[in-house]
Amino acid sequence: DTEVTQTPKHLVMGMTNKKSLKCEQHMGHRAMYWYKQKAKKPPELMFVYSYEKLSINESVPSRFSPECPNSSLLNLHLHALQPEDSALYLCASSQGGNRGGNQPQHFGDGTRLSIL
Amino acid sequence: AQKITQTQPGMFVQEKEAVTLDCTYDTSDPSYGLFWYKQPSSGEMIFLIYQGSYDQQNATEGRYSLNFQKARKSANLVISASQLGDSAMYFCAMRENTGNQFYFGTGTSLTVIP
Repeated sequence: DTEVTQTPKHLVMGMTNKKSLKCEQHMGHRAMYWYKQKAKKPPELMFVYSYEKLSINESVPSRFSPECPNSSLLNLHLHALQPEDSALYLCASSQGGNRGGNQPQHFGDGTRLSIL
Repeated sequence: AQKITQTQPGMFVQEKEAVTLDCTYDTSDPSYGLFWYKQPSSGEMIFLIYQGSYDQQNATEGRYSLNFQKARKSANLVISASQLGDSAMYFCAMRENTGNQFYFGTGTSLTVIP
């Protein structure tokens, strides 16, 4: 069982819908990540939160809006997505800060998103 | 410049044989960590093995070992006694100690042949 829980596992939405992806971890990690991944490609970093503050935003379109309500939760709000946004969305967490260099990321199972 | 380079898009190995997946990296940070992940077709990213830049010995985890050659900036994954369940994408990743970002290679698709 993964220690990072993502919901939902699958999501189909129209281009005008608003939905949210959720991610939860209880490992005490202080860095949390959102990635987008297309088939047979590496994960593409979208956002990084460090100690509940947004520390990296990789020029992601504004139709993706991240939120970190507390140290255990990470949300990704979706609005007016395009068909090319269909992908696997992975959440991950890791030990944060300058002493976390030897700590791996732990990933959730991902949400498979399809935009109609 | 690419931080992580994986030059083998696809690899085949006979069941029970060993296979080496290549990874080279680029960093000027003296302190960093190197990681390998396995991603089966079901999608989950599974952490396999870690090597620290100051580690004197190569990391091993069961059938996985990491051939770390610091001067050549390479961190190849060796899988011994391949099993059918090893068929998956494998990603090499690096984290510099000064930040939270992980850099991923383009991955190698491994197929184990019965």
